[in-house]
Amino acid sequence: NAGVMQNPRHLVRRRGQEARLRCSPMKGHSHVYWYRQLPEEGLKFMVYLQKENIIDESGMPKERFSAEFPKEGPSILRIQQVVRGDSAAYFCASSPVRGGPDSYNEQFFGPGTRLTVL
Amino acid sequence: ILNVEQSPQSLHVQEGDSTNFTCSFPSSNFYALHWYRWETAKSPEALFVMTLNGDEKKKGRISATLNTKEGYSYLYIKGSQPEDSATYLCAFRNTDKLIFGTGTRLQVFP
Repeated sequence: NAGVMQNPRHLVRRRGQEARLRCSPMKGHSHVYWYRQLPEEGLKFMVYLQKENIIDESGMPKERFSAEFPKEGPSILRIQQVVRGDSAAYFCASSPVRGGPDSYNEQFFGPGTRLTVL
Repeated sequence: ILNVEQSPQSLHVQEGDSTNFTCSFPSSNFYALHWYRWETAKSPEALFVMTLNGDEKKKGRISATLNTKEGYSYLYIKGSQPEDSATYLCAFRNTDKLIFGTGTRLQVFP
């Protein structure tokens, strides 16, 4: 059973270009979470999606960032008109169910995409 | 703002030493506390998920305890080995998302 897959692993973009990051969850998982690690900082939540729905986007920057998780295919995190401050490691996690109180719902992480904006 | 604190930030121990780290988190509206082990250039690896006050979990030489009333969790490693060298992250969950601490970086010297 393959784990969470992310591609590309490394992405270099010039300022103003678009970045597309892909995440394929573990088989049987329909819940996807995106986290970002800025230099010298910890992992920070960005967005939580189920198939075709955004459930919680409270951690997403208001502009230039969007995420989707279509019925078929991977989840995509899209950053338009990238700036140097977007340089970070972007991690995706997946879980089989939604975690409520007293839930052992684990989130399984992918290896991350390291985005460098020149 | 929900804050998760981990201490120490880094730790250097000799092979064979036992060690422990602390994670403190908000004690209100608690769902679960997660521990991850993270090696450079790899995916964070799930170690434990704990939900009940007093929970204790063990996996080989690694164990963890949970106190939800006072808002802390301890991770213990017995007889540290060089392959235990990694960053250990804890994360607090009170909804769907995980709120991470900045981790404890462990280095075990042979």
